[in-house]
Amino acid sequence: AQTVTQSQPEMSVQEAETVTLSCTYDTSESNYYLFWYKQPPSRQMILVIRQEAYKQQNATENRFSVNFQKAAKSFSLKISDSQLGDTAMYFCAFIALGRLYFGRGTQLTVWP
Amino acid sequence: DADVTQTPRNRITKTGKRIMLECSQTKGHDRMYWYRQDPGLGLRLIYYSFDVKDINKGEISDGYSVSRQAQAKFSLSLESAIPNQTALYFCATSSGGRTEAFFGQGTRLTVV
Repeated sequence: AQTVTQSQPEMSVQEAETVTLSCTYDTSESNYYLFWYKQPPSRQMILVIRQEAYKQQNATENRFSVNFQKAAKSFSLKISDSQLGDTAMYFCAFIALGRLYFGRGTQLTVWP
Repeated sequence: DADVTQTPRNRITKTGKRIMLECSQTKGHDRMYWYRQDPGLGLRLIYYSFDVKDINKGEISDGYSVSRQAQAKFSLSLESAIPNQTALYFCATSSGGRTEAFFGQGTRLTVV
């Protein structure tokens, strides 16, 4: 079975601090891609970062970076220098065999 | 203009009514998806289509049907709406099933 688990329904962080969102997944496929999506109150789904499973190097996108541990099937998102605009629901996801699987999300609140 | 367009953006309908949600894309992607989002449950796959002649059920297809009228158009129908189908619905596309998915703006459906 293909599953994605986000164990933190809610998190909060003070502006300018660093926060890490956790994600574990399960798949029997060897070729897959992992993603973090952000959903602000506007409800638009916005891609934050992507990681190819065959690449060992962790992806980085400005203040966003991942810690990808393939053997442990772990894919956490680190947000550095948090900003008020980072307040959103964050979804971990992966795509395998053409299907995209999502976790239940983590609501992140950044406070001043 | 958005690459993935959903209509309508919001809809209130009565129990027992038939309703269609439409999705069109200009990205030229072959794969299209319909998801349902409920609080605390993340995004769950209703139907997906790898091309015009290939349509597949997702994890929660009961009560829904789809039509892939063209590569760029994928519609979702609720034959007889029930209050339990009140949710936020997303259409998404991807290319070859190995890249990130691109989402429409979502349709907020309320069944009363």
